[in-house]
Amino acid sequence: QKEVEQNSGPLSVPEGAIASLNCTYSDRGSQSFFWYRQYSGKSPELIMSIYSNGDKEDGRFTAQLNKASQYVSLLIRDSQPSDSATYLCAVRRSQGNLIFGKGTKLSVKP
Amino acid sequence: GAVVSQHPSWVICKSGTSVKIECRSLDFQATTMFWYRQFPKQSLMLMATSNEGSKATYEQGVEKDKFLINHASLTLSTLTVTSAHPEDSSFYICSARDPLYRYEQYFGPGTRLTVT
Repeated sequence: QKEVEQNSGPLSVPEGAIASLNCTYSDRGSQSFFWYRQYSGKSPELIMSIYSNGDKEDGRFTAQLNKASQYVSLLIRDSQPSDSATYLCAVRRSQGNLIFGKGTKLSVKP
Repeated sequence: GAVVSQHPSWVICKSGTSVKIECRSLDFQATTMFWYRQFPKQSLMLMATSNEGSKATYEQGVEKDKFLINHASLTLSTLTVTSAHPEDSSFYICSARDPLYRYEQYFGPGTRLTVT
C-alpha cells in the first residue's frame, strides 16, 4: 500500500462547480496534512494545512480531515480556470518528513 | 507564507562541468532544508535532507558524491551537481521548514538544469 494515495485524474469540472480532491494515507501516526498546488513548470505552493479532524476553510478552499478513516480532502468552490493545476496531498510522518502523493490533475473548463 | 528563494532559475551547462544551486530562506531561519528533483510529468522526488551544520542525509539511490549539499547557515543551503551529464537535466527544487509556524514547508521557485 502506498503511503499517500491520490487519484491521478485528470479531474475535469466546469467553471463555477465544486472540485473535490481526495487523499488517503497509511501511517496512523501522521499528525499534519497539507495541500500544495503545482502549476505546470512551476514549483509547489502551499495552499492549505490541517492538523485536527474536521473542516478548515480559507476563501474558496476547504480542507477536510478524518483521522479515523485516514482520509483528507480538498474542496474548491466556484472553480475557476486559473485553478487548473496538479494538487499534491502531503502528510507529515511523526518523524517529520513530508510524504507526497503523486498528485491529482485538475482541469476547470470555461 | 514564508519565502524561499532559489538561484539561478535556469542554467545550461556542458557535460562534465559542475553547477551550484543556491537556496535561501528569506524571512525565517531554517534548520532543515530539502532538495527535490522532478522530471517532466513525474512526481517530486526527495533527494536529500540538509541540516544546518551537519552532513546531509541522502535518499536511497542518490549519489552523495555527485550531488554535494552544504547547509552552512540557517538561511542558505547549496546543491552542487558535479560532473553533470545529460541525464542530470531536470527541475531541482529546494524547500525549507519554518520552525516558527508549525514547521510548515515552503518551496523555492526551482532551478531548471539543462546539460548539453
